[in-house]
Amino acid sequence: DAGITQSPRHKVTETGTPVTLRCHQTENHRYMYWYRQDPGHGLRLIHYSYGVKDTDKGEVSDGYSVSRSKTEDFLLTLESATSSQTSVYFCAIATGLSKADTQYFGPGTRLTVL
Amino acid sequence: QKEVEQDPGPLSVPEGAIVSLNCTYSNSAFQYFMWYRQYSRKGPELLMYTYSSGNKEDGRFTAQVDKSSKYISLFIRDSQPSDSATYLCAMIRSNDYKLSFGAGTTVTVRA
Repeated sequence: DAGITQSPRHKVTETGTPVTLRCHQTENHRYMYWYRQDPGHGLRLIHYSYGVKDTDKGEVSDGYSVSRSKTEDFLLTLESATSSQTSVYFCAIATGLSKADTQYFGPGTRLTVL
Repeated sequence: QKEVEQDPGPLSVPEGAIVSLNCTYSNSAFQYFMWYRQYSRKGPELLMYTYSSGNKEDGRFTAQVDKSSKYISLFIRDSQPSDSATYLCAMIRSNDYKLSFGAGTTVTVRA
């Protein structure tokens, strides 16, 4: 998994509670990404980061926020979880210096919002 | 209409058969093309990466890109039960570097 770990790997929570997912990389790559994967939709980009404290929105960013205070950690927060945010969340890193470089994915976090 | 279209299958083939997977796209800005393999309950892993029209081979895998037709393919020769997975096509636009994925095709290779 290209030196990427995600925590927790599984989480069940209730509607309205805040949830934070963590992505950790060991190789100081500049670009980090958060995706969600749902049946029939493939992988959709939530947010990405191109450096410490530099982040930007993806195509499905509503209801999510991110933070990157250290190169190695990229956090995804659901401020008030909803059932529509039940999904599998993947973190990815790009190993080169360009956004055109290929992305490598972590093992995923399976989130269920009841 | 999605920017990247991929038949979700499922596709079931006998061991040893050739597996053929396809994606089409609508935006000519896509210039970098990838195939990922994803086993059940795992993260996607990169199989092939190419940025030019034509064929690229890696062992039993061949990636084919036809930019004029906006069509990419992945062929798996001598398929094995261990090839059973979901295969995702992905492509990057050259203008804004957005990475877009197909929905994935689930493949089962029967022993």
